[in-house]
Amino acid sequence: DAGITQSPRYKITETGRQVTLMCHQTWSHSYMFWYRQDLGHGLRLIYYSAAADITDKGEVPDGYVVSRSKTENFPLTLESATRSQTSVYFCATKFAGNNEQFFGPGTRLTVL
Amino acid sequence: RKEVEQDPGPFNVPEGATVAFNCTYSNSASQSFFWYRQDCRKEPKLLMSVYSSGNEDGRFTAQLNRASQYISLLIRDSKLSDSATYLCVVNIDYGQNFVFGPGTRLSVLP
Repeated sequence: DAGITQSPRYKITETGRQVTLMCHQTWSHSYMFWYRQDLGHGLRLIYYSAAADITDKGEVPDGYVVSRSKTENFPLTLESATRSQTSVYFCATKFAGNNEQFFGPGTRLTVL
Repeated sequence: RKEVEQDPGPFNVPEGATVAFNCTYSNSASQSFFWYRQDCRKEPKLLMSVYSSGNEDGRFTAQLNRASQYISLLIRDSKLSDSATYLCVVNIDYGQNFVFGPGTRLSVLP
């Protein structure tokens, strides 16, 4: 049981390109989250989703787009990547009635 | 002021030592509290939730002081395997707004 998988694990791209980070879960957890982690900031919430077709902004949503057409997938798209979006991106899931979040292994994104 | 603050450390302690981390939060409406552990270049994992009356899980004890708006984590009899970054997490409104502190790095030395 893979739980949560993220792909790609590493990505290097150039400023202005569109990039999509994938997140897939096998648990059927209702909630899914995207965080970015940068030195000195801790994890910051980008977007989250309570169910298929329901998404909401977090603390730092600008420059990102999400969708959730299926419960198990929650892709994150950087429409026009900027250097400030160089970061480690974590996807997480959570049961509706529980506060524990389960994190994927992360995607290290570098924008040149 | 950041919503959740932690001493970044690093805390370098010998095996067997007792070490304590503090975390302060700014929003008095915060409802639930957690400690996560993150190993180097890995994902965070839940260590323990923090309850109002304080709670213990083996060598780990978590306490909450709502009046002073801080949370603590005590690790007794430190092991080499305890070396990691410890993240304080606060849930503001029983919703999905989980605010993470920047983390405190612990190195347990042989």
